[in-house]
Amino acid sequence: DAGVTQSPTHLIKTRGQQVTLRCSPKSGHDTVSWYQQALGQGPQFIFQYYEEEERQRGNFPDRFSGHQFPNYSSELNVNALLLGDSALYLCASSPLGGSGNTIYFGEGSWLTVV
Amino acid sequence: AQSVTQLDSQVPVFEEAPVELRCNYSSSVSVYLFWYVQYPNQGLQLLLKYLSGSTLVKGINGFEAEFNKSQTSFHLRKPSVHISDTAEYFCAVRVPVHGSSNTGKLIFGQGTTLQVKP
Repeated sequence: DAGVTQSPTHLIKTRGQQVTLRCSPKSGHDTVSWYQQALGQGPQFIFQYYEEEERQRGNFPDRFSGHQFPNYSSELNVNALLLGDSALYLCASSPLGGSGNTIYFGEGSWLTVV
Repeated sequence: AQSVTQLDSQVPVFEEAPVELRCNYSSSVSVYLFWYVQYPNQGLQLLLKYLSGSTLVKGINGFEAEFNKSQTSFHLRKPSVHISDTAEYFCAVRVPVHGSSNTGKLIFGQGTTLQVKP
């Protein structure tokens, strides 16, 4: 049973460019969240997708957007990249229902903006 | 608003010694608490979680944590550490996300680096 998978694992972009990161949730999971982890910091919640809709958003600008597909996979898009967007982007998935369900994380996508 | 404070940024300890990583939280609602571990260049792995019931929670790799409601703490402990425990440890509290399947979002502390020395 594959866990949460993310791609690409590493990428380098130039300021002002756009980037798309992809996530496939763990089998049986329908909810996907994205987190940003800057160097030396704890992960910060970007947004969560459920039933192909953004359910809640953290304190991130509109340059950060996402999408969830019918197969529950998800994309994170960041436009007009800034140097400060350099971070590890983590995708997390969880199954339907129940606040006790564990949230599983992928290995992350390392984004460097130069 | 919910928040998590990890009281130590770095904890150096010798191999086979006991260790405690401290975590305090603030929340206006019932809390679900978690400890995650992050090995270098990897994602987050769940160590243990507290949802309800017994305040002493046992997790993987010999770790345990105690939920103390009056002190709003959820400290992580291990009686004897190994070199392989060297990693970043994150305490987190889960809060609900409206309109979702109620799996919520995690609010993390800043992390504690556990450095196990031979």
